[in-house]
Amino acid sequence: NAGVTQTPKFQVLKTGQSMTLQCAQDMNHNSMYWYRQDPGMGLRLIYYSASEGTTDKGEVPNGYNVSRLNKREFSLRLESAAPSQTSVYFCASSGPGQSTDTQYFGPGTRLTVL
Amino acid sequence: AQSVSQHNHHVILSEAASLELGCNYSYGGTVNLFWYVQYPGQHLQLLLKYFSGDPLVKGIKGFEAEFIKSKFSFNLRKPSVQWSDTAEYFCAVNAAGRRALTFGSGTRLQVQP
Repeated sequence: NAGVTQTPKFQVLKTGQSMTLQCAQDMNHNSMYWYRQDPGMGLRLIYYSASEGTTDKGEVPNGYNVSRLNKREFSLRLESAAPSQTSVYFCASSGPGQSTDTQYFGPGTRLTVL
Repeated sequence: AQSVSQHNHHVILSEAASLELGCNYSYGGTVNLFWYVQYPGQHLQLLLKYFSGDPLVKGIKGFEAEFIKSKFSFNLRKPSVQWSDTAEYFCAVNAAGRRALTFGSGTRLQVQP
């Protein structure tokens, strides 16, 4: 099992450009999450998907959109990147659907917006 | 809204020293509590979690944590740290019945050989 995979690993964008971060899991988990990690601030939830076909906003959703493409894949889109979105982005998944489920994290995408 | 505080931002210890990292949360209802670790260059992985039962929880690699409900705390402990414990440690909480986690700001642990 690969667990949670993310692409790309690194990305540099110019202000105003758009991009999509991809995430996939092979653990048959129902729930998937996108977090951003900034120095001194821990991880903050951007969006999550409790199950296929549903998405909900987290703590810092502004400037982002998500798509739960199927049970395996959950993508994060930046429509018009801003320097404030420079961060490390982590995708996670959990299942089968309890609040006590462990979240499994991907390796992260380091994004720089110039 | 729930929040998590980790008061120790950077801790430096010598090998064999004992470790205690503080974690306090604010939420009035029932919670689930987690400690995650991020080793250099690796992704986050679960150390231990608590959701009910014995408030003293044992995790991987000799770590343990104690849930003290009256103090809203879930401190992480290890009796004797090793150089390989050098990492960043995150406390996280979710309200019972909700899956989304709220993380603390993290504690960077540096263990000197």
